[in-house]
Amino acid sequence: EAQVTQNPRYLITVTGKKLTVTCSQNMNHEYMSWYRQDPGLGLRQIYYSMNVEVTDKGDVPEGYKVSRKEKRNFPLILESPSPNQTSLYFCASTFSGANVLTFGAGSRLTVL
Amino acid sequence: DAKTTQPTSMDCAEGRAANLPCNHSTISGNEYVYWYRQIHSQGPQYIIHGLKNNETNEMASLIITEDRKSSTLILPHATLRDTAVYYCIVRVALQGAQKLVFGQGTRLTINP
Repeated sequence: EAQVTQNPRYLITVTGKKLTVTCSQNMNHEYMSWYRQDPGLGLRQIYYSMNVEVTDKGDVPEGYKVSRKEKRNFPLILESPSPNQTSLYFCASTFSGANVLTFGAGSRLTVL
Repeated sequence: DAKTTQPTSMDCAEGRAANLPCNHSTISGNEYVYWYRQIHSQGPQYIIHGLKNNETNEMASLIITEDRKSSTLILPHATLRDTAVYYCIVRVALQGAQKLVFGQGTRLTINP
């Protein structure tokens, strides 16, 4: 089944403890992206990647890192999480030049 | 991208047609209208898109006015599972999904 898989789906962690949210897609998509969603603020883009080794900042990149070493994977790294990064995170992917995104199921992160 | 305007919320009775409007008065000739929906805390899901002709798929119909300044997404026989936030996005077709903004959308509630 064509899908975007995120892990973990739920995580509670503490301030400053590095964590990685993984994202993997099996559709051979060139483009991948991370969004966060907070009440009243909608979906905001964190980082995106046009292809392997090509990444760029979205609207809210502060406090996050990404890497794109392989086409199928696009992990989101929080080097030193803070409580304001408590949020619902979504990974999405699509073919280059397309606007029809496939989203993952979401990862709910709580930073205490 | 052209700006879109959607009502904040709408209600519809189960089994009736749900008609969700979107205003995009500054749309350019090469911009498509895309619709996504997000069921509570799930990843957004693509529904349909169109340029100027009406479009229909298994999920919905999209009616675009002749001047293309507005459109309506129609869910012909709404069910409780159609309760979601619906996003109308205007985008150049081959622009790609980078910096794709979802806005606040319309919160549709289907009532039994």
